[in-house]
Order: sequence, then structure tokens, then C-alpha cells
Amino acid sequence: QLQLQESGPGLVKPSETLSLTCTVSGGSISSSSYYWGWIRQPPGKGLEWIGSIYYSGSTYYNPSLKSRVTISVDTSKNQFSLKLSSVTAADTAVYYCARAGYCTNGVCPLRYWGQGTLVTVSS
Amino acid sequence: EIVLTQSPGTLSLSPGERATLSCRASQSVSSSYLAWYQQKPGQAPRLLIYGASSRATGIPDRFSGSGSGTDFTLTISRLEPEDFAVYYCQQYGSSPPRTFGQGTKVEIK
Repeated sequence: QLQLQESGPGLVKPSETLSLTCTVSGGSISSSSYYWGWIRQPPGKGLEWIGSIYYSGSTYYNPSLKSRVTISVDTSKNQFSLKLSSVTAADTAVYYCARAGYCTNGVCPLRYWGQGTLVTVSS
Repeated sequence: EIVLTQSPGTLSLSPGERATLSCRASQSVSSSYLAWYQQKPGQAPRLLIYGASSRATGIPDRFSGSGSGTDFTLTISRLEPEDFAVYYCQQYGSSPPRTFGQGTKVEIK
């Protein structure tokens, strides 16, 4: 069974860069059939799609965050990562990593999710 | 960007009742690439329905999805105690962002 686990600092100062890693177990991150993604959820609010990355390295970002987001894959560690620069209090949220599944013509929803990690932006 | 609007915001029902949740898109969702997720407090979302009407593995058949174009529905035929949660729709077929609706909370009446 595929499992995903987010890790990283729980507290980040304003204007700094938020960095999170998602470690994948029970499967290879090198699968060419799926993409890997990041989603966030501010406390008490709804879900926001941040972006995704395919094994090929192709990335897709939410236009509202695109100038500040970088998603990358480290196949040697079976991990993928999120970097969000110039953070403010509005970036405080639970951050989830996820993997696609049930694909049709390469188009997929998010089937597997990590448990999420709370990142607070505060000085 | 496709905007998804879910209604109602909150649905107050009793166990055993039928729940009907709506998700309306600002433009047509290509090939019915519409998913529904369930989220309980303190937990990650769980995929229930994909392709507008296909149940994910292990999802009870009391959950069903329907719709196409801009109007989609999630129906829970008879609510079980564990079904009280927040439900989100998501379109995943268009260019990014792969937007989510704002959620519908199904609460115990």
C-alpha cells in the first residue's frame, strides 16, 4: 500500500522560504504513469491546489502561487519537495502531499494523500 | 480558471436520510473529470468518486456521483454515522489550477 509522509519545519518566519518534503513508501516515485502534487488547507478553510510534478520533470503550478513555488523530485530518495518563497501569514496552512490515481488518458484525480503537516508563518 | 460552487454550505440530516450535494462549475468540465472527496476532522481528504460517477476502491455503494458539463451531484443514499463530514468536489481535467469547491458540511441534525 502506497504511503506518503510530509516533513519539514512547523514554523517559518515571514519573508522566508517554506520547504517541505514528501517521502513515498510502498511504491516508486519514478512511475511514469502518475503525477505527484501538493495541496494546502488554511485552518478552518477549504482545499487549495498548489501544483504537481510528473516523473518527466514537467511541473504545473497554481497561477496564483506560480512566482513563489517550486516542486521537484529526488528519485534517489523516493521523495518530492515543495518550496514556497516569501511567505506571509496567509501561507499558514496544513500542507498535504498526494499522488494521482485512476487515470484516464493521463488525466487523474488525487488517490493517495499524506496525513498533512501544519506550517505556521510567524515571527 | 474553472470555479466550482458547492451547495448547500451545510446540510443537516439524520442517520438513515438521503443526502444530495451539488457542485456547479463556471464552465464545462472536460470529459467529466470531476472528483469528490470526503474529509473528516484532523484527517486528509479521501477520494470517493472520480470521473463524475466511478467509485474509488473500497467506497460503499451508498455513495454515488452523477452529472456532466457544469452540474454534478454526490448522493449518499442512506447516511451512516461515519458519513458526517465535509465533502469537496474537484475538477482535474483542465489546465491548472485543478480547483476545488469550497466544501459542503454534512452534519447530524
